[in-house]
Amino acid sequence: ETGVTQTPRHLVMGMTNKKSLKCEQHLGHNAMYWYKQSAKKPLELMFVYSLEERVENNSVPSRFSPECPNSSHLFLHLHTLQPEDSALYLCASSRTGGDGYTFGSGTRLTVV
Amino acid sequence: AQSVTQLDSHVSVSEGTPVLLRCNYSSSYSPSLFWYVQHPNKGLQLLLKYTSAATLVKGINGFEAEFKKSETSFHLTKPSAHMSDAAEYFCVVSERNYGQNFVFGPGTRLSVLP
Repeated sequence: ETGVTQTPRHLVMGMTNKKSLKCEQHLGHNAMYWYKQSAKKPLELMFVYSLEERVENNSVPSRFSPECPNSSHLFLHLHTLQPEDSALYLCASSRTGGDGYTFGSGTRLTVV
Repeated sequence: AQSVTQLDSHVSVSEGTPVLLRCNYSSSYSPSLFWYVQHPNKGLQLLLKYTSAATLVKGINGFEAEFKKSETSFHLTKPSAHMSDAAEYFCVVSERNYGQNFVFGPGTRLSVLP
């Protein structure tokens, strides 16, 4: 375990479903991130939260909706997804000071 | 703006032979540099980091990397590959110490042959 926990590990959902991904860290970090990792493509930064405020949104479609209720928890709410959204979704956290990210194990999402 | 180039998308070595994974970066300021490893169906794990201290950085599992400013490189090496080293490796550069400006390279897949 890295200290960043993601649930669920695997998720299969239909295009009309609504689901949420959860990320939790108790490392005392003050920034949290969502990344999308698709086959044969570089890691794509989706959202950045710093001190619970969203500071970056990399042109992500509105069918992805992040939520950061406190510095330890980060959610990614999903609705009406498309098959091309199938990917590994990685959560990471960090502390200001540039020590690097700590990643969770990811949620493998399959949209059918 | 910073950027990262990983020159090889795939490297294949025999078990017991040296590993060299290449990384070149572009940065306007003094960068922080990192290597992460990702095993199949796992998240990314920090291998090592350079943050303006010693230019030769030792990491976990016998890996090390040398920061060469004149060559803008941060290549990852290991003297002797092990089967468990087979994974995807990502070089990362960050210009600011805020944690929000990390740029990932495209990754190098390392295969280790018996």
